[in-house]
Amino acid sequence: GNSVTQMEGPVTLSEEAFLTINCTYTATGYPSLFWYVQYPGEGLQLLLKATKADDKGSNKGFEATYRKETTSFHLEKGSVQVSDSAVYFCALSHLIQGAQKLVFGQGTRLTINP
Amino acid sequence: NAGVTQTPKFRILKIGQSMTLQCTQDMNHNYMYWYRQDPGMGLKLIYYSVGAGITDKGEVPNGYNVSRSTTEDFPLRLELAAPSQTSVYFCASFLPRGSSGEQYFGPGTRLTVT
Repeated sequence: GNSVTQMEGPVTLSEEAFLTINCTYTATGYPSLFWYVQYPGEGLQLLLKATKADDKGSNKGFEATYRKETTSFHLEKGSVQVSDSAVYFCALSHLIQGAQKLVFGQGTRLTINP
Repeated sequence: NAGVTQTPKFRILKIGQSMTLQCTQDMNHNYMYWYRQDPGMGLKLIYYSVGAGITDKGEVPNGYNVSRSTTEDFPLRLELAAPSQTSVYFCASFLPRGSSGEQYFGPGTRLTVT
């Protein structure tokens, strides 16, 4: 079946450090891939997306590249800020029984210290 | 344009009580979803709907019911609350036309059953 595996958390970094959160997926066909972010006490917001192989999604300094050969969609940011502290979810979207559904990874909690 | 709204934000139930979690979207999305998020876990799909009058089960439907009488509203009903239903519940919506699959989430309802 379809599944998403994310790097175990929590992750704690200092401000201005380089961030990588690993995400790999298993899917039949060609899903779209997403990173969602959840700030404390809030719902999930779309951070970035990629719809086909080699696409790069980017937003707010974050980037992720859809790698079909390694079935990966790792999230990166060159210099993190305290305001990036949140839980990050990798997800894939695909059609199951005629309906579009999202499958989520377990989430990675990121804490940035000043 | 309020997006996806959920009420209440918080609720404490006693075992065996019932309640309805409300979800409304004003984006004219035909797909709507209910998820639950347990601590340290990703989101699990409870029920979804592809349009008014059509609902279907997700991964974890037991103990819940839904209805979809209008495009805008997708309430989730808990009939006999159990401690295992303590969780954060998120509603989401999606418009397939011209979309790559991203869903829009409400702010969540935190439910405790004691």
